Amino acid sequence: ETGVTQSPTHLIKTRGQQVTLRCSSQSGHNTVSWYQQALGQGPQFIFQYYREEENGRGNFPPRFSGLQFPNYSSELNVNALELDDSALYLCASSLVGFTTNTGELFFGEGSRLTVL
Amino acid sequence: LAKTTQPISMDSYEGQEVNITCSHNNIATNDYITWYQQFPSQGPRFIIQGYKTKVTNEVASLFIPADRKSSTLSLPRVSLSDTAVYYCLVGDNFNKFYFGSGTKLNVKP
Repeated sequence: ETGVTQSPTHLIKTRGQQVTLRCSSQSGHNTVSWYQQALGQGPQFIFQYYREEENGRGNFPPRFSGLQFPNYSSELNVNALELDDSALYLCASSLVGFTTNTGELFFGEGSRLTVL
Repeated sequence: LAKTTQPISMDSYEGQEVNITCSHNNIATNDYITWYQQFPSQGPRFIIQGYKTKVTNEVASLFIPADRKSSTLSLPRVSLSDTAVYYCLVGDNFNKFYFGSGTKLNVKP
């Protein structure tokens, strides 16, 4: 067990709705990253937060946004949901800050989002 | 951007050594190479990380040539429980982290 917890584990939304996913990072970790994993695909990097600031972003539109709180927990918000947003959303925490070293990522079990 | 390329799938038998190679032609000077294992409906799990030459831990070895444009994960004496998807991950200078497409390893009895 990594100590990274995500909620909810499963949820169903309809097109156009908004969703908030939550992640509690492992104790002592100050960096959180989010990934989208479609069925049969590898995880795709959405963004990373270091000490409450976004410090890296993948090729995702602005309707994907996030927050990191002083306790280093994090939220992923997705607005105007589309069918293609259906995926497993993974959160990972680590001790890596402003470096190019990915370090070791500790993943949660993910939140399975289905958009109808 | 440091993207990666891996074989889509591999088959092996219990007790064999398995080598999975990942190509990362655009790896940055300061990047490390990290491998993860993922079982269905679970988050990826760290296996091993290295920068150059060879790294070994209790579950795997990682071989990285001098040019660092590829890396090879070596799993000694695999068992059925090693059936999973394996990803290699490198970070680039812009803090964008890319997983490879993953290699689905199927270990047969």
